[in-house]
Amino acid sequence: KAGVTQTPRYLIKTRGQQVTLSCSPISGHRSVSWYQQTPGQGLQFLFEYFSETQRNKGNFPGRFSGRQFSNSRSEMNVSTLELGDSALYLCASSRRDTQYFGPGTRLTVL
Amino acid sequence: KQEVTQIPAALSVPEGENLVLNCSFTDSAIYNLQWFRQDPGKGLTSLLLIQSSQREQTSGRLNASLDKSSGRSTLYIAASQPGDSATYLCAVRGGDSSYKLIFGSGTRLLVRP
Repeated sequence: KAGVTQTPRYLIKTRGQQVTLSCSPISGHRSVSWYQQTPGQGLQFLFEYFSETQRNKGNFPGRFSGRQFSNSRSEMNVSTLELGDSALYLCASSRRDTQYFGPGTRLTVL
Repeated sequence: KQEVTQIPAALSVPEGENLVLNCSFTDSAIYNLQWFRQDPGKGLTSLLLIQSSQREQTSGRLNASLDKSSGRSTLYIAASQPGDSATYLCAVRGGDSSYKLIFGSGTRLLVRP
């Protein structure tokens, strides 16, 4: 069974631009969660989608948004990028209790 | 607000040593607790999951315990190997229906040959 895939794996953007990251969950998983990982703040929860509905949201500004499609694939968008948005963005899919993480997208904002 | 703390932040041990990683959380109303491993620049690999009603889980050389009332979990690694070198993270899931995880800051483990 294929694992969680994330595209792209690496991304370089400049301040003020916007970016869209994609996550394909494990087949059959309906929940997708997104996390931001930085050296200073560690792993922080962004939001969770279940059956195309946002079920929970972390404490991030409105520049961070996401959505989930009917096939459970999810995208997250960050608008008006800031230097502090440089991070590893991880998504996880879940079916029962265990969460399975993808390899992440490394975003660098210059 | 749930907070998760991991001690120590870093650990260096010689190969073959048994070791214990600690995780504590402030709100005992958790659904489960999960231990992950992260290699540099990579995603997270799930090691063990303990439901709130369980006391421990074992997988190979790994054993995780949970004391919900005291807000503590430990990950025991037996006969450590250089391949165990990684960052170990614990995460708790709250009592609601969401899959939201609150992570600790991790313990960076180095096993010396």
